[in-house]
Amino acid sequence: RKEVEQDPGPFNVPEGATVAFNCTYSNSASQSFFWYRQDCRKEPKLLMSVYSSGNEDGRFTAQLNRASQYISLLIRDSKLSDSATYLCVVSRTSGSARQLTFGSGTQLTVLP
Amino acid sequence: ETGVTQTPRHLVMGMTNKKSLKCEQHLGHNAMYWYKQSAKKPLELMFVYSLEERVENNSVPSRFSPECPNSSHLFLHLHTLQPEDSALYLCASSRTPGEKLFFGSGTQLSVL
Repeated sequence: RKEVEQDPGPFNVPEGATVAFNCTYSNSASQSFFWYRQDCRKEPKLLMSVYSSGNEDGRFTAQLNRASQYISLLIRDSKLSDSATYLCVVSRTSGSARQLTFGSGTQLTVLP
Repeated sequence: ETGVTQTPRHLVMGMTNKKSLKCEQHLGHNAMYWYKQSAKKPLELMFVYSLEERVENNSVPSRFSPECPNSSHLFLHLHTLQPEDSALYLCASSRTPGEKLFFGSGTQLSVL
């Protein structure tokens, strides 16, 4: 089983739609969680951290369910510019170091 | 402006060439990383440096040789690469290992 699993998509949605992505992680000792977005042929950029209480940033809402070991990202009122690949990232301690593990990403295309 | 500058953006090299990728971060971070991203695959961690000391090396072939002369600069020296090494190579930094990453724009490498 992969340490971080995401539905690869693609998700094709019309402008204005609400879309949700889920991500599951296998290691219960995971400590920090992030969503990154990556545009085609560009570097990943931090979208938002995910906090235990859930957090919102404009049209984006992230939630964490530690009991079920998944995190989610909800995008409301989708814009064309939201088209990208969304990467789930999980941080945990391995030995004496903390390390980040990336999911394979979920591809989103917002259609006019 | 991400604060992490990576050069070159594109690189084409033959299997007998020697080249180097350069990364510089202006964020005052203590950890720097090299990642490899192949098509349709998640980001693969290659090397981690914390305060100029290598803390992780994920079984990367010796034809990839990292160098971290100080906490702001990171190099990846390449020699006798194989065509399967063609990928996007991303430099990143974080305040400490395992915290959220800030990426450079990447080097798209093609090995002929």
